Amino acid sequence: EADIYQTPRYLVIGTGKKITLECSQTMGHDKMYWYQQDPGMELHLIHYSYGVNSTEKGDLSSESTVSRIRTEHFPLTLESARPSHTSQYLCAVGRRPDTGELFFGEGSRLTVL
Amino acid sequence: QQQVKQSPQSLIVQKGGISIINCAYENTAFDYFPWYQQFPGKGPALLIAIRPDVSEKKEGRFTISFNKSAKQFSLHIMDSQPGDSATYFCAASIMTSGSRLTFGEGTQLTVNP
Repeated sequence: EADIYQTPRYLVIGTGKKITLECSQTMGHDKMYWYQQDPGMELHLIHYSYGVNSTEKGDLSSESTVSRIRTEHFPLTLESARPSHTSQYLCAVGRRPDTGELFFGEGSRLTVL
Repeated sequence: QQQVKQSPQSLIVQKGGISIINCAYENTAFDYFPWYQQFPGKGPALLIAIRPDVSEKKEGRFTISFNKSAKQFSLHIMDSQPGDSATYFCAASIMTSGSRLTFGEGTQLTVNP
């Protein structure tokens, strides 16, 4: 199992603010992912990383950026939040060895006013 | 382009009944087909998964049926219980491409007592 911690769980901010959503895992797994999910809707991959200093954009275009300086951390940053960024952001970790399974955190629900 | 299509969008079943959710995919390179279960306020969790070399996989009350020629797979929940009420997502990925899951639109299942 992978223990995945996302903070904050809920965030309400004003337009133009910079925000960082934190994701950390305790198992040292290499593969990490960020998915965006609107309420009751499908998940869209926005970023992924296969290891330190490795980051790639996902299938859904996003104005957010990510970094992977340490194996256990995979933060997502929005430099200037807008109402269109209102969504839930889910961090996931791939199992080692790779079976295809992803473990998801509980998500960060962002509301931009 | 929606690579994984899921239906129905919502489903209401009586306790003890059978719940059936269907998915169709387009990319023939997909080789891993999981189903995830998501409760409100939580991240998705793997329920059951199948590889294309088998046509059916059963785990307890949950069964995946897979039809490679039709590019379809389905989830059957036998003896549905109120505790099964959740949103279910099918997904697909290419294992050699880093397990990046492409999700269906989701099905909100309600099991009435």
